[in-house]
This record gives sequence, C-alpha cells and structure tokens, in this order.
Amino acid sequence: GQQLNQSPQSMFIQEGEDVSMNCTSSSIFNTWLWYKQDPGEGPVLLIALYKAGELTSNGRLTAQFGITRKDSFLNISASIPSDVGIYFCAGQPRPQGGKLIFGQGTELSVKP
Amino acid sequence: GAGVSQTPSNKVTEKGKYVELRCDPISGHTALYWYRQSLGQGPEFLIYFQGTGAADDSGLPNDRFFAVRPEGSVSTLKIQRTERGDSAMYLCASSALGVTDTQYFGPGTRLTVL
Repeated sequence: GQQLNQSPQSMFIQEGEDVSMNCTSSSIFNTWLWYKQDPGEGPVLLIALYKAGELTSNGRLTAQFGITRKDSFLNISASIPSDVGIYFCAGQPRPQGGKLIFGQGTELSVKP
Repeated sequence: GAGVSQTPSNKVTEKGKYVELRCDPISGHTALYWYRQSLGQGPEFLIYFQGTGAADDSGLPNDRFFAVRPEGSVSTLKIQRTERGDSAMYLCASSALGVTDTQYFGPGTRLTVL
C-alpha cells in the first residue's frame, strides 16, 4: 500500500532556531496536509497544499507541495516553546474525498 | 463555529465486551472519516462516509468493526468482542467536500481494553 516516509523522527532544538521536516512517497498525492498533535488530543491542521509546486505560509510556518507530487516539506522559523509537539504530514491520493495517508510523525522538542 | 466532537473522551472496557464510539461532525460537513492511532504512530484510516453511505471501508481491520451514519450527520463506530489489541486512540474527522477537501479532526476517544 501507499506509505509516507517522514523525517526526522525527532528533533531537539534551541528556542529561536529554525526547523525543517519532510515527507516523501513512492506514490503521487493530490493534496498534502501538515498537522500538529499534542499529547492526548486530535491532530490540528497547520497548512493544506492543493497544487504541485505550491508554497504556502501560515505565520512562522511554511510548507511546499513538491513538483513531482511525491514529497512535501514543512519549515518552522524562530521556534518557540509552544511549538513542542508531534508534527504529521498527510497525503490524500484522490482529488476530492477519501482517506489520508499519514507519515510516522516528527516529535519536536524546544529548549528555552 | 463548533468543531468535531467525540464522546466519550475515554473508554475502558474488558476484553470481549461491545463498545460504541460517537462522532459529531462540523455542521454541514458531508464527509466523515474514522481513523485509529496507536501509540507512537500516525493515524490509520478505517472508514469514510459520504452522506449516509460508506464510500470506503477498506481500512476496517475485521468484521468486529462496524460504523454507521444513519442521518448523514452523527456517526457511531461499533466494536464487537473487543480485544486488547483494539486499544488505541480513535479519531474522527469531517470535511465539506468541495473544491478543497480539508479534514478537521476531533479530540479523539482513548479506548483501553483490559
């Protein structure tokens, strides 16, 4: 089946540093999404990408939909302690409707 | 407006028992999804509804799992003869199914089978 490879698995950074994480797949996706999940809660949507090559920002977050439609990255600039959590990429194989395929997650720790 | 809600937030049951998990989607969202998340993993798809019908149930692990959405709004995930391996976070998401189909998640139900 389709799988997403998300890296790195975990990151330990200093407050104020920039962070980058990415997802790759052997399959094409029509939509890429990035979610953040805090312990015991559901994933919260950060950024949604709908077109190959699309670059979208949401505050300190920037994400891109790869040209090949098989990858995406998320950057966080000037990290702060509340950025701590698990970040998931998710790809949607179909153009409208249908399941999301999730990556394994990147656990981010920020040291004040 | 209100987001996706799920009840109960936590459910502890004994092996062999029957459980029901409820999801209230965002008002007006026609699509509803169920996912299961084990500790340290990303969510895994279970089933997807468009309106009242299951459009894709390929993720249901076996016939002990069943979900309904009789009026096209609230959905119930039903698990029969629970097993310890069913312990996980069960997440529900909904979307509006338009030009874009962004899925918004609820807080989840943590199921523990003893």
